[in-house]
Amino acid sequence: GAVVSQHPSWVICKSGTSVKIECRSLDFQATTMFWYRQFPKQSLMLMATSNEGSKATYEQGVEKDKFLINHASLTLSTLTVTSAHPEDSSFYICSAIGTPTNYGYTFGSGTRLTVV
Amino acid sequence: EDKVVQSPLSLVVHEGDTVTLNCSYEVTNFRSLLWYKQEKKAPTFLFMLTSSGIEKKSGRLSSILDKKELFSILNITATQTGDSAVYLCAVRDDKIIFGKGTRLHILP
Repeated sequence: GAVVSQHPSWVICKSGTSVKIECRSLDFQATTMFWYRQFPKQSLMLMATSNEGSKATYEQGVEKDKFLINHASLTLSTLTVTSAHPEDSSFYICSAIGTPTNYGYTFGSGTRLTVV
Repeated sequence: EDKVVQSPLSLVVHEGDTVTLNCSYEVTNFRSLLWYKQEKKAPTFLFMLTSSGIEKKSGRLSSILDKKELFSILNITATQTGDSAVYLCAVRDDKIIFGKGTRLHILP
């Protein structure tokens, strides 16, 4: 149980384009979704927290207009990297918790984004 | 400022050894402490700890939480080369905060 499906697993895009990453909870209701970014050999850095049906809360230093997060349903959250630049190249991972209480704490499989 | 500190940052041992990984934390509204193992891709969940003094075990791995002293340890006994990974500790208050991880390498 508590499976989170994330895709795409990897994507290469041109500088200036936008990329959408999806995370779906397959067997539970994800009331809260966390989006992280991880650079090589570094730990996970929380970018934002989103609760279903409300606006995401962004961490300090994360541009909300650049990293658009939508959590419109209890099973789907998306992260859109807008006008991507090479410095946005990273590993993006989602994590979800939900109901029953505290069920989940599961990560998606991650998306390796390379901007060229 | 909320923080999670793991030690050591890296560790190299021989197969069969026992290792202890440390995690200390300072958060405003503690709810739970989580341990993850990360190999090449996304972290995989190991344990969630919410109560002090209750050991959680899964095979050769075990973990315990001390909410008074604000730390947790993760023990791995009879280590194997497949245990080589980064072990991440995270604490949940209103969000989930990760430590920098302990990079464990097991020599055959």
